[in-house]
Amino acid sequence: NAGVMQNPRHLVRRRGQEARLRCSPMKGHSHVYWYRQLPEEGLKFMVYLQKENIIDESGMPKERFSAEFPKEGPSILRIQQVVRGDSAAYFCASSQQGAGNEKLFFGSGTQLSVL
Amino acid sequence: DQQVKQNSPSLSVQEGRISILNCDYTNSMFDYFLWYKKYPAEGPTFLISISSIKDKNEDGRFTVFLNKSAKHLSLHIVPSQPGDSAVYFCAATHGGSNYKLTFGKGTLLTVNP
Repeated sequence: NAGVMQNPRHLVRRRGQEARLRCSPMKGHSHVYWYRQLPEEGLKFMVYLQKENIIDESGMPKERFSAEFPKEGPSILRIQQVVRGDSAAYFCASSQQGAGNEKLFFGSGTQLSVL
Repeated sequence: DQQVKQNSPSLSVQEGRISILNCDYTNSMFDYFLWYKKYPAEGPTFLISISSIKDKNEDGRFTVFLNKSAKHLSLHIVPSQPGDSAVYFCAATHGGSNYKLTFGKGTLLTVNP
C-alpha cells in the first residue's frame, strides 16, 4: 500500500521534551501538508511544504513549531518544549500537485500525548 | 471564530434509509466545499466536493447540495449502509488554495442494521 505513511502512531512526551513526527507522502507526490486536530475540534491547517521549501506556514504557531521536507527522506514536524496544550492528533496529507482543486490524501495521523 | 459549523455531533439512521448531514459556513469567500469521511484510527478520506458555481453534485449514493444564499450545504447518503458509519467532516476553501481547508468539528453517523 503506497498511501501516506505517518509514524509513530502514538507518541508520549513529558512537558519540556521535543516531539518529532514523520510523514512519507504517497509515491509520486511532492506536496506535503500538516494538519492538527485538537480534542473536540475539526482539523486545522498548519503548513504546506514542497521538497526543501516551505510554501505556506500561515497556520503554524509562531514559537516551538517547525517543519521541513528535505530532498531525501520524510517530512518532519518538530515541536520543541512541548506543553499539555500540544496534545492532539497530527495529520499529514500529500498531493501530486499543489494547485487547483486537487484532493488531499491523508495519513492515519500521530496521536501526541503530553504528560 | 468557527467558520464551518456542523451543529449535530451525531446522527443515527436505520440501514436503507436516507442520511442527511448538515453544514453551515460564515465566510462568504469560500468557493469550494468538500466532505471527508473518517473511520477510527484512520485519516480522513475524500468523499465528494462541490464548487460554488453549482448547487448539486452527485456520486453514486452520495449527493451534496449547496445553498449559497443560506450558506448551507448538506450531504445525502441514500440508501445508508452500516459501512457508512463514520465521522463526516465538512470542509471549505477559497481562492484555489485547495490545501488550506477549514474543517467543521464533524458529525458521527451511525447506521444501524
